Amino acid sequence: AQTVTQSQPEMSVQEAETVTLSCTYDTSESDYYLFWYKQPPSRQMILVIRQEAYKQQNATENRFSVNFQKAAKSFSLKISDSQLGDAAMYFCAYRTYYSGGSNYKLTFGKGTLLTVNP
Amino acid sequence: DTGVSQNPRHKITKRGQNVTFRCDPISEHNRLYWYRQTLGQGPEFLTYFQNEAQLEKSRLLSDRFSAERPKGSFSTLEIQRTEQGDSAMYLCASSFSGGDTYEQYFGPGTRLTVT
Repeated sequence: AQTVTQSQPEMSVQEAETVTLSCTYDTSESDYYLFWYKQPPSRQMILVIRQEAYKQQNATENRFSVNFQKAAKSFSLKISDSQLGDAAMYFCAYRTYYSGGSNYKLTFGKGTLLTVNP
Repeated sequence: DTGVSQNPRHKITKRGQNVTFRCDPISEHNRLYWYRQTLGQGPEFLTYFQNEAQLEKSRLLSDRFSAERPKGSFSTLEIQRTEQGDSAMYLCASSFSGGDTYEQYFGPGTRLTVT
């Protein structure tokens, strides 16, 4: 079974600064997807960024980028030019690449609560 | 497209009562997932539907839990004889089997409090 570990329960950053959230995972699969989801207070979870394990290039979405180290099974999220609206719980998640039963369930870490200070 | 909706948003019930939650996925999405999120934890998979068929259930889903998705549209999750340990946020997510990533879109969740 796959596991996802987020070792930082809480992080804080000054507005306009850069912050990196850590995530490690364990799997025996060679192909898979990794995701970062954002869950603002009392609002629904939204996808921030995804990474396909077979791609060597790190994914980037505007101010959000990842550092994907497949051999180390590490998947960190970097938020540049942090904004007040980035304050939320961030979850790292794993998904198998191919499921014979077509169940593409997500396995989540415990989350990191990000505070952005003005 | 209004996204995934869940009702009610909050439910307070007494131990031993039955509760039912509803999830309305994005209309063209044929895959539907239920997750449970307890305080300080990430969401955990409960069950999965493809169209109207329930294809997988987690061992977290005890016999007191039942889920349905009639006609492959909305889904309901029922908990019978609720226990205090059932207190959690219940999240629904949907996805479309076309495309290459099957991205899941989440609803706002139903927060259950069992007193």
